[in-house]
Amino acid sequence: AQKVTQAQTEISVVEKEDVTLDCVYETRDTTYYLFWYKQPPSGELVFLIRRNSFDEQNEISGRYSWNFQKSTSSFNFTITASQVVDSAVYFCALSIIGDGGSNYKLTFGKGTLLTVNP
Amino acid sequence: ETGVTQTPRHLVMGMTNKKSLKCEQHLGHNAMYWYKQSAKKPLELMFVYNFKEQTENNSVPSRFSPECPNSSHLFLHLHTLQPEDSALYLCASSSNPSGGPFTDTQYFGPGTRLTVL
Repeated sequence: AQKVTQAQTEISVVEKEDVTLDCVYETRDTTYYLFWYKQPPSGELVFLIRRNSFDEQNEISGRYSWNFQKSTSSFNFTITASQVVDSAVYFCALSIIGDGGSNYKLTFGKGTLLTVNP
Repeated sequence: ETGVTQTPRHLVMGMTNKKSLKCEQHLGHNAMYWYKQSAKKPLELMFVYNFKEQTENNSVPSRFSPECPNSSHLFLHLHTLQPEDSALYLCASSSNPSGGPFTDTQYFGPGTRLTVL
């Protein structure tokens, strides 16, 4: 069975601070995808990134960056120079890549509520 | 981007009412999903449809009845709900390469906030 742990329930920062959201996952499978989604107050889950287990390269997209480390089973998300619009719940998720028919199953963490104060 | 739309956005219903939630995706996907998001709980997968065929029913009570008339539309029919069914119901869609496992990214709609009185 898969498990995703987001130990930080809530984080509060002041605008322009950098913030890192932690994600630790558990799986016995060797091939999988990792995801981050953002859920603003409006409710929609917005896809941010998908990472293949074969690719441990870190990724940067504007103010967002992701650090994938298989050795520690972590897929952390950093927002640089945070803004009020970054306030949302952020979810980390995992799905298994395989030959079976249930590869669509996303295992979500419980989410981290990020509040960026002006 | 409004690739996946859901209506209504908010719904209040009594326990004896019958209502339906609608989801439409404009992304050309062929797999669609219903999720339930309750307060303080992880997202729960309810149903999965692949090319209009139901491939997953995650032990959902029969008072929730899904319908997928085509790959672009997904409904969730509700009847005799309980107050504990109050939640945000999210629809998602993804592509599914024919003949292969559908592991593509799921894109979500804005959800329907359901309150059962």
